[in-house]
Amino acid sequence: QQPVQSPQAVILREGEDAVINCSSSKALYSVHWYRQKHGEAPVFLMILLKGGEQKGHEKISASFNEKKQQSSLYLTASQLSYSGTYFCGTEASGSRLTFGEGTQLTVNP
Amino acid sequence: DTGVSQNPRHKITKRGQNVTFRCDPISEHNRLYWYRQTLGQGPEFLTYFQNEAQLEKSRLLSDRFSAERPKGSFSTLEIQRTEQGDSAMYLCASSFGLGQETQYFGPGTRLLVL
Repeated sequence: QQPVQSPQAVILREGEDAVINCSSSKALYSVHWYRQKHGEAPVFLMILLKGGEQKGHEKISASFNEKKQQSSLYLTASQLSYSGTYFCGTEASGSRLTFGEGTQLTVNP
Repeated sequence: DTGVSQNPRHKITKRGQNVTFRCDPISEHNRLYWYRQTLGQGPEFLTYFQNEAQLEKSRLLSDRFSAERPKGSFSTLEIQRTEQGDSAMYLCASSFGLGQETQYFGPGTRLLVL
């Protein structure tokens, strides 16, 4: 089953923060976050493994609550380059990733 | 270090024709995945290989679709008797490991069936 992402879309001004949520009904081994710009391939951001570990680099971080099967992606002090569609991919069994419908993020000057 | 490459990048074909796409994974990556993505949706899993073995196929993969990875390196995805509903972006990804590892995507092949 497809994970549910929220919000579907968000518009920010440069420098503002955003949170994107991903929720699954299945027990998960890992959650993967990607950003995709129009016409391009998804670009890997980070992977969160079972264990509730929070990861981050620069101004993008994420958390994984394995009890609730939820993950959140935190974008702080957004930059114009953050614009794109963010997908969470969940791994429940095997190695296949099941992706959400995406969250469209627009950062305006 | 080169990334995942896919050829062709674009393909326009007429309904009923066969098409074949190629994916070259990152060197040394033992796992290779095929996904399909339509406009406004996330990628949908089609199939994956560990080395040359095809370990899982989605129910989305009808009998008209076949994938191979003959020597555990590059892979091909063939669609026979294409239909308009096959129009999509076909993405390939590769990873190294046995699970819970990062999948790196290629640029995709955009297919348009007229």
